[in-house]
Amino acid sequence: QVQLVESGGGVVQPGGSLRLSCAASGFSFRSYGFHWVRQAPGKGLEWVAVIWSDESYKFYADSVRGRFTIFRDNSKNTLYLQMNSLTAEDTAVYYCARLSGTTSTIDSWGQGTLVTVSS
Amino acid sequence: QSALTQPASVSGSPGQSITISCTGTSSDVGGYNYVSWYQKHPGKAPKLMIYDVSHRPSGVSSRFSGSKSGNTASLTISGLHTEDEADYYCSSYTSTSTYVFGTGTKVTVL
Repeated sequence: QVQLVESGGGVVQPGGSLRLSCAASGFSFRSYGFHWVRQAPGKGLEWVAVIWSDESYKFYADSVRGRFTIFRDNSKNTLYLQMNSLTAEDTAVYYCARLSGTTSTIDSWGQGTLVTVSS
Repeated sequence: QSALTQPASVSGSPGQSITISCTGTSSDVGGYNYVSWYQKHPGKAPKLMIYDVSHRPSGVSSRFSGSKSGNTASLTISGLHTEDEADYYCSSYTSTSTYVFGTGTKVTVL
């Protein structure tokens, strides 16, 4: 079955950096695109970034463009999110999610990893 | 990239039907048939309930249905069950190749 397991969350100071990982299993990782989606405490879901299966395209939300980078390692079946210049507004649970292979929807989600930006 | 607009809350009694709206623009909801709906319980990962406006993934109850008219999509839950109490989010692909979620709707089963 499809499994997405995020890791790398934690507490980081404002201005700091963090790299999230998402280990995938149960399907052909290289055949799918992936998203990062976040949810701040008490807030709704916010789309963060998407990477296509062949890494040819990457798109970002305005709120993170220039600070966050989405990338993947198909040899390790792992998706990443490099987060730089973090602010308190980046505090959230970050979800890794799979882009459907047949249409533009998210069909599977990880359980999320919490990132807290605080001094 | 403004969030799609959803009502903050919708409620209904068991067995009733409710409808949640999701209003965007011609650059997202109105421009593409790539509207999805997700159910989210607190502390849990979201679950896909509807994709491509009106398609149901296997395993999702037929009580859930979706539709779209112009820039507004809708999710209808028929025969409300207590386990349907959750937050619901719409999402859409956009003209800038990005994605956007709705503001979220808390469904309460009275």
